[in-house]
Amino acid sequence: GAVVSQHPSWVICKSGTSVKIECRSLDFQATTMFWYRQFPKQSLMLMATSNEGSKATYEQGVEKDKFLINHASLTLSTLTVTSAHPEDSSFYICSARVRQGLENYEGYTFGSGTRLTVV
Amino acid sequence: AQSVTQLGSHVSVSEGALVLLRCNYSSSVPPYLFWYVQYPNQGLQLLLKYTSAATLVKGINGFEAEFKKSETSFHLTKPSAHMSDAAEYFCAVSHRGGGNKLTFGTGTQLKVEL
Repeated sequence: GAVVSQHPSWVICKSGTSVKIECRSLDFQATTMFWYRQFPKQSLMLMATSNEGSKATYEQGVEKDKFLINHASLTLSTLTVTSAHPEDSSFYICSARVRQGLENYEGYTFGSGTRLTVV
Repeated sequence: AQSVTQLGSHVSVSEGALVLLRCNYSSSVPPYLFWYVQYPNQGLQLLLKYTSAATLVKGINGFEAEFKKSETSFHLTKPSAHMSDAAEYFCAVSHRGGGNKLTFGTGTQLKVEL
């Protein structure tokens, strides 16, 4: 099945530094990837949608300059949290859209998530 | 616009008892509906999905869900709970055909007691 590999699984960084999170589609081409943020015991909040070779589409209220998304190839999308601060600490999850079956149905597969802690 | 509502942020059942997690959806077009499970500090795993075929959908780990258009519901059930079922469960909706983004419910924490 379609697998998305997300790294790192956890990271601790100092306030003011930048952190890059990678998501790779291992056995399929991901033309579209989604980046979510999840606060403790809460649901997933969509941050942005990235399409290979074009600019990401950010959801309302998400700072584009804070959360840089790059989707330069069909198998790799990255999220960079720039000038991170403690309030950016969260669980970040990527997801890729997968085309499946004769119905042309599109499913979604998720990475394992990255726990970011900014100190 | 699309949305899902999960009734009950916490559900507790005894091991061996029926599991029922509720999800109601709102969508202006025929929806795709999903149930995902999340274990602590992990991503989401698909349990099952409805894509307009059979209204009773069987998924992994003994879970199933029934799409009821008249009730706009997609409740998740399992006849007999197991300790390993304890996790967070999310219902989600997307649109058919366009590959629209997923919209998640607020989640239900399932606790299984001995």
